[in-house]
Amino acid sequence: AQTVTQSQPEMSVQEAETVTLSCTYDTSESDYYLFWYKQPPSRQMILVIRQEAYKQQNATENRFSVNFQKAAKSFSLKISDSQLGDAAMYFCAYSIGGSQGNLIFGKGTKLSVKP
Amino acid sequence: DAGVTQSPTHLIKTRGQHVTLRCSPISGHKSVSWYQQVLGQGPQFIFQYYEKEERGRGNFPDRFSARQFPNYSSELNVNALLLGDSALYLCASIQQLGSGYNEQFFGPGTRLTVL
Repeated sequence: AQTVTQSQPEMSVQEAETVTLSCTYDTSESDYYLFWYKQPPSRQMILVIRQEAYKQQNATENRFSVNFQKAAKSFSLKISDSQLGDAAMYFCAYSIGGSQGNLIFGKGTKLSVKP
Repeated sequence: DAGVTQSPTHLIKTRGQHVTLRCSPISGHKSVSWYQQVLGQGPQFIFQYYEKEERGRGNFPDRFSARQFPNYSSELNVNALLLGDSALYLCASIQQLGSGYNEQFFGPGTRLTVL
């Protein structure tokens, strides 16, 4: 069975600094996608970044980037130049390629940003 | 364009009652997924519907059911409520982008409290 593990329940970062959130996953599939979602206190979940497993290049979206280590089944999120608005729950998620809508989520990491 | 809408925002029920939650996807999206997010956990997949047909079901009891209407809106029904059903119920509107990838856009959720 596919599983997603986030080993850091809480993290804290100083404004303008860089923080890395960890995620590991377990799967026997070769075609899959990995995601980081952000859930601010207002609850609405938004997609931060996604990575296709077949792509070797790490995905980047502005201040957000990932370190995708396929052999190690590791998928960490790096947030650069942290801003107060980055404070939220961050969820790592996985889906099988071709799957219509079944995301498997980790338990989340609560990120606090200190001014 | 309107985002994903869910109603009601909050709901309080007592054990044994029945509840219906509603979701309207983004215009043009033909698929929705439902997730249950218990406090302090990541969302868990309940159902996925595409073109009014069930496409996937998570590990939930038969007390949980759903349907999708011709306008692609969806209802999640839960019978014989238990205290453990207290959670945030998220609906995701799914955009098919081809190549086996589907992007999910989440609604704000319905907070269900069972007393």
